[in-house]
Amino acid sequence: AQSVTQLDSHVSVSEGTPVLLRCNYSSSYSPSLFWYVQHPNKGLQLLLKYTSAATLVKGINGFEAEFKKSETSFHLTKPSAHMSDAAEYFCVVSDSSGGGADGLTFGKGTHLIIQP
Amino acid sequence: EPEVTQTPSHQVTQMGQEVILRCVPISNHLYFYWYRQILGQKVEFLVSFYNNEISEKSEIFDDQFSVERPDGSNFTLKIRSTKLEDSAMYFCASRRELAGGKDTQYFGPGTRLTVL
Repeated sequence: AQSVTQLDSHVSVSEGTPVLLRCNYSSSYSPSLFWYVQHPNKGLQLLLKYTSAATLVKGINGFEAEFKKSETSFHLTKPSAHMSDAAEYFCVVSDSSGGGADGLTFGKGTHLIIQP
Repeated sequence: EPEVTQTPSHQVTQMGQEVILRCVPISNHLYFYWYRQILGQKVEFLVSFYNNEISEKSEIFDDQFSVERPDGSNFTLKIRSTKLEDSAMYFCASRRELAGGKDTQYFGPGTRLTVL
């Protein structure tokens, strides 16, 4: 079984300061890991994904995440927050290493607030 | 850029009524999914569909739910007799089959279902 824990339900940062959204996972297999973002009244947009290639993954809008197997973590970071980054962020895991049709397992989400 | 589309964006229904939520996945994708997100809660997997049959379903996906791909483009979720607790945002997703199962699920904008 797989699971995802997002350690913070809310994170508030000032515009221009770094962002850190924390995620820990558990998985029986070699996982694929994703970060999705959901802006208010919008759907889920993929930010980035890790699929056993490079452990440091770069995504859209300046976000990146580092896969650390020893810590079972996949934290999301951005050097400088922008007002448009305010949204809900979901860390997601998939155990679909064999081409199966397994559904994704979502974390509870972290609400990112950007202070002007 | 191709995207998953869903209709309607908002559906209001009376308890006990049947509803059909519609999705048009990305055209060359082979796996299809439904997820739901009850207000304030995390996104939950409902069902996956491949080769015209259900591949996997969660415990949420009981006999009240069914899925169908009636033609080459639409993918539908039917709830036979809606309950108050079915009120949620329902997301459709699709993915292309990629060897090793490492490809991404792309999400539609969601249908907000309100059961009165």
